[in-house]
Amino acid sequence: EVQLLESGGGLVQPGGSLGLSCAASGFPFNSYAMSWVRLAPGKGLEWVSSITDSSITTDYADSVKGRFTISRDNSKNTLYLQMSSLRAEDTAVYYCAKGVSGALDYWGQGTLVTVSS
Amino acid sequence: EIVLTQSPATLSLSPGERATLSCRTRQSISYNLAWYQHKPGQAPRLLIYGVSNRATGTPARFSGSGSGTDFTLTISSLEPEDFAVYYCQQRVNWLYTFGQGTKLEIK
Repeated sequence: EVQLLESGGGLVQPGGSLGLSCAASGFPFNSYAMSWVRLAPGKGLEWVSSITDSSITTDYADSVKGRFTISRDNSKNTLYLQMSSLRAEDTAVYYCAKGVSGALDYWGQGTLVTVSS
Repeated sequence: EIVLTQSPATLSLSPGERATLSCRTRQSISYNLAWYQHKPGQAPRLLIYGVSNRATGTPARFSGSGSGTDFTLTISSLEPEDFAVYYCQQRVNWLYTFGQGTKLEIK
């Protein structure tokens, strides 16, 4: 059974930093691209970042480019998202998701990030 | 940047009725068009990928169609558990885009 478990969310002040993790199991993690997607209060789903299976390629939404860094450790079956210079508009539930055939077929339950003073 | 426009924003229907949700782009996109269902407090669920392929576990009442710039998700006969928010999504290289969502509510 595929499982994705996010952790690391919490309350952080504007301008601060936070790191998220996503522990994967139930599939060959090193064979699949992975992504982060967020859901802000009252808004729709927003793609944040993706990384290929071997970390050769990463991409970011314009809204987070230069502030967020995606990475993965295939030896630990774990995906990461390092967030810095956080803003109020980064407040959201952050989901990790497994990529396949241009879509995201498995998602975690999400971790809440709140940026507030 | 490809923009996906979903319509309507809200769709009010009764169980047993047919639902038709639209997703349009201004420029032609590839076959990487997917649909998701999202309920509050739950993880989003992939329903359709590659325009018309049902994901594992997606009931047969859900179908996807379209090409070029116009895509449709059809639910042939609504069940009570189908009332949720639906998103279309496309991918170009490793950049994903979601539509703004259609809320399917009980009439």
